[in-house]
Amino acid sequence: ETGVTQSPTHLIKTRGQQVTLRCSSQSGHNTVSWYQQALGQGPQFIFQYYREEENGRGNFPPRFSGLQFPNYSSELNVNALELDDSALYLCASSSLTSVQYFGPGTRLTVT
Amino acid sequence: GENVEQHPSTLSVQEGDSAVIKCTYSDSASNYFPWYKQELGKRPQLIIDIRSNVGEKKDQRIAVTLNKTAKHFSLHITETQPEDSAVYFCAASRNNNDMRFGAGTRLTVKP
Repeated sequence: ETGVTQSPTHLIKTRGQQVTLRCSSQSGHNTVSWYQQALGQGPQFIFQYYREEENGRGNFPPRFSGLQFPNYSSELNVNALELDDSALYLCASSSLTSVQYFGPGTRLTVT
Repeated sequence: GENVEQHPSTLSVQEGDSAVIKCTYSDSASNYFPWYKQELGKRPQLIIDIRSNVGEKKDQRIAVTLNKTAKHFSLHITETQPEDSAVYFCAASRNNNDMRFGAGTRLTVKP
């Protein structure tokens, strides 16, 4: 198993609410990428953080935002939750150009 | 942006047979192509990767081939075992950023 952890494991929220998901990167890694994986689909790239700066973004609206801290852990924030935001949210830890190691994910259900 | 297509969506083989999964990508600037295995309820785990300066890479029963001209790459698993049963994802990216995944192949290895 990798040293990448995520919290919480599961989360249930109501439409319109806001949520914060957390990711602790593996020791020695300075890059965190976030993905959304809907049931039965491949992960979709949300954004990447490198040394506390956003380093690339996929096709997600601005209500998806993030942060990276000096210890390279990261948060994903989603505002104004919609039913379609229900998914497994994965973070992946890496050095900038090295292999990405995934965390176990946070299962978000929006009702 | 990059678009990755993966085929087949499901694959069933007898134990001991070979399995081949194929992916195509659209962005000629993509230079990193990992393959991940995801078991039910688990995180994606890297099984092999290849960079654009290499045409083939092998690791025991697993091999990946890359054809940059045709923009396609393939995963080959030989001597399949029941524990190889999982969903396999291909992905493509430029320098490990904005990684785009295929839709996945559900491989079933029958004993």
